[in-house]
This record gives sequence, C-alpha cells and structure tokens, in this order.
Amino acid sequence: QTVVTQEPSLTVSPGGTVTLTCASSTGAVTSGYFPNWFQQKPGQAPRALIYTTNNKHSWTPARFSGSLLGGKAALTLSGVQPEDEAEYYCLLYYGGAWVFGGGTKLTVL
Amino acid sequence: QVQLVQSGVEVKTPGASVKVSCKTSGYTFINYGICWVRQVPGQGLEWMGCISAYNAHTNYAQNIQGRLTITRDTSTSTGYMELRSLRSDDTAVYYCARDLDFCVDYWGQGTLVAVSS
Repeated sequence: QTVVTQEPSLTVSPGGTVTLTCASSTGAVTSGYFPNWFQQKPGQAPRALIYTTNNKHSWTPARFSGSLLGGKAALTLSGVQPEDEAEYYCLLYYGGAWVFGGGTKLTVL
Repeated sequence: QVQLVQSGVEVKTPGASVKVSCKTSGYTFINYGICWVRQVPGQGLEWMGCISAYNAHTNYAQNIQGRLTITRDTSTSTGYMELRSLRSDDTAVYYCARDLDFCVDYWGQGTLVAVSS
C-alpha cells in the first residue's frame, strides 16, 4: 500500500513564503513520479496548479512554483495572499496508478 | 472553453449500483483521458481510475477495481464511472478530470453519491 505524505497543516503570514512537501513511502520522489499539485477551497472542485513537477497551467498565479526538494515534491508560494488559504493536494504517478497525498491545510494568518 | 459537466445527485441503498456521467466539450475528446476521483465528506481526495478516450484502456486503483468500471462514449464525448455493490462508506463526491501526458487539468463540478438504507 503506497502512501503519499503531506504536512497536515501549515500557517503563513500574508506576504510570506511557504513550502509544502509531498513524500512517497517508496522512497525519493523524482520527476518520474510526474507530481501534480491542486488547490481546493471548501465546497469547490479541486483546481489544478502544477503538473509534471514544475509546469504551470495558464491560470496558475506566478507566486506558485513546483520543484523537487530533498527527495520530495514541493510546492512553494511566494508572496502569499489571503485567497491562498485552502487545502492543497499533491498527486504522484506509480506506473499506471496515481496516488493523492493526504492534503495540507494552509492557513493565512 | 473546456468543460466537464457531471450528472446530478444520486441516492442509493446499500448493494445497489450507480453510474455517473461526465459530458465534455471544448476539446478533442479522443486526445485525452478521463480520470475519476472521489472525496468522502471532510476527507481527502482518492484516485479511482482513468480511461484513455482514444483506445478505452483503463487503469484502476487496486482497492476498488473489482467494483468499478470506467467507460467512455466517443460519439457523445462522455465518460462514465459505474460503481457496484455500494456501501455506506462509498458516500462521497465523485469528480471526473481530464488527463494527458501526466497532466491532470480540468475538473468536473462533482457529483454527490449518497448511500443509505
């Protein structure tokens, strides 16, 4: 049973920078896991932010960036805005199957 | 513009089956895949499976594959998710999403499936 682990919760001040990570129980996350990142606000469908590690969709704000960091996939928000308060999920690919992380609740305070 | 529009709320009794549709528009259907994701109220996202709209090849999550069938209809650009032998813990919002080359981008609005006796 593959497990993808994210920080359960993080808090950041408006204008600050925060990094969310995504770890795999199988070992280091590499580009071959094709990490995707999603934002979800209460009562809404998820919204895609990042695909294949560090590629942004046309609608992704510039303050969001994806990378690999210390054997994990990472999502960094620079210059956090109040509207960034949400749940964030990573998604990793395991040779035909995808697995979501448990999500990180980001509070902007 | 790309749109994925799902069918409406379903209320089922334990042991029944449900089939949720995902009608797409705004892009060439057979060039992409359709994935299904569910979310139990108050919990995280769970990947269920994907289908290639081109050749109907499917991949399913191991813990659900015996009860799940994902299909597509190229004539109507619609994807379908059928879940059988429903249990109370299948109560969730079910989402479809578009997929291509390891990129999951557009999502449907979600369909609530409630399972209760």
